[in-house]
Amino acid sequence: QSALTQPPSASGSPGQSVTISCTGTSSDIGEYNYVSWYQQHPGKAPKLMIYEVYKRPSGVPDRFSGSKSGNTASLTVSGLQAEDEADYYCSSYGETNNLGLFGGGTKLTVL
Amino acid sequence: EVQLVQSGAEVKKPGESLKISCKGSGYSFSTYWIGWVRQMPGKGLEWMGIIYPGDSDIRYSPSFQGQVTISADKSISTAYLQWSSLKASDTAMYYCARPLLLGGVVFRTEYWGQGTLVTVSP
Repeated sequence: QSALTQPPSASGSPGQSVTISCTGTSSDIGEYNYVSWYQQHPGKAPKLMIYEVYKRPSGVPDRFSGSKSGNTASLTVSGLQAEDEADYYCSSYGETNNLGLFGGGTKLTVL
Repeated sequence: EVQLVQSGAEVKKPGESLKISCKGSGYSFSTYWIGWVRQMPGKGLEWMGIIYPGDSDIRYSPSFQGQVTISADKSISTAYLQWSSLKASDTAMYYCARPLLLGGVVFRTEYWGQGTLVTVSP
C-alpha cells in the first residue's frame, strides 16, 4: 500500500478538464508545500510536471495546474488532449521517509 | 543539457549477480545526489536509495537495505546498482534519477534516465 493515496483511474473527453487527487497525512502533504506530480507514458521515464504544489518546469503546458488543501493535493489537466493520456504519480516530502513518498499512480484516459 | 544514460536491458537467471549503470553528463556529477527507482511490471514508482558521489554518502529505503548495493565512481560520472543474487521478484524496470534534497529529504526529481529493464527468469 502506497503512503500517498490516488484513485487508480480518471477519464475525460478531449477539451474537458479532469482533476486527480492525492491524499496524504499531516506529516507530509498537510505540513509541507513540496508536492510534485509526474507524468509517465507507457515504456517511458517519468516526467516532472508540477513541483512545490503548483509550479511548472519550463516547457510544461499551462493546461497542467496543481493545488493543495489540507492533506490532499490535486492535479488538474484542462483542455484535455489525446497526448495527456498517461499514468500520473504524486510525490511528497515527508517526515517519515527521507527518500520522499510516491502515490500509487492514476491512469488518465482521454475518451 | 543534463542527461542520465543507463546501460541496456539484462536477462539473468535466479542466483546470478548483476550491476547496472547510469552515466551523468551536463552537470557537476559529484555535487548532486543520484539514485535508483524501481518500477515492477504494472506497478508504481519506489525509491530504492540515493548516493552523493562527492563523499559516497548513501541512503537506502528500508525495503531495499541489504538487498542491493548502490555505488558511484565520480571519476567517470557513473552510478551503479548491484545485486549479488538475483530473484525472480527483482524483475522490473529500474530508473536512475537525480533528485533534489531539502534537509536531507527528497523533494523533487527533474532528471531521469531512460530506464533499464531487468528480467530474471530460470
